[in-house]
Amino acid sequence: AQKVTQAQTEISVVEKEDVTLDCVYETRDTTYYLFWYKQPPSGELVFLIRRNSFDEQNEISGRYSWNFQKSTSSFNFTITASQVVDSAVYFCALKNYGGATNKLIFGTGTLLAVQP
Amino acid sequence: SAVISQKPSRDICQRGTSLTIQCQVDSQVTMMFWYRQQPGQSLTLIATANQGSEATYESGFVIDKFPISRPNLTFSTLTVSNMSPEDSSIYLCSVLVLAGKNEQYFGPGTRLTVT
Repeated sequence: AQKVTQAQTEISVVEKEDVTLDCVYETRDTTYYLFWYKQPPSGELVFLIRRNSFDEQNEISGRYSWNFQKSTSSFNFTITASQVVDSAVYFCALKNYGGATNKLIFGTGTLLAVQP
Repeated sequence: SAVISQKPSRDICQRGTSLTIQCQVDSQVTMMFWYRQQPGQSLTLIATANQGSEATYESGFVIDKFPISRPNLTFSTLTVSNMSPEDSSIYLCSVLVLAGKNEQYFGPGTRLTVT
């Protein structure tokens, strides 16, 4: 079965703190994709990153970085020097490569509140 | 990426009525999808909108309740039929661009409240 677990329901930090959002996934497939999306209070879903299962190289984009550990089935997301504008719900998602429906399996999301 | 627009952005409807949501993309895309996000919940795939043929529905969703059209590669509609308060959700259109890159984008969503 495919499943994405985001154990942290809510996280509150003070501006400029670093914060890591956890994502653990389950899949029987050997090839798959992992995604992170941001949903600010306005409601739209913003694509942040897609990672292939065969590429374990970590990625950094500005203040954002992602740590993919296949051995622990985790794809964690770190925001460095957080800002108030980072306040949002963050979703981790999984999709199997070549799946019949191209279905994204979402975690339950982590609400990040960055206080000024 | 792709620019996706949805109409309406929000609506308040009476139970028993139907609402059709439109999704327009600024470029031809490989695949289009409809997702639902119930209040405070995660996103669930309703169906894949197939161009020129019937949509492919996920378990728990049926065509009579959520008819979908996709007349071309840039446009799709989702109808929520015979609405009840349980249908109050955000409905999001999603597209898959450049299939090899497998990047999937979402529209701004339609916030539906059924009274």
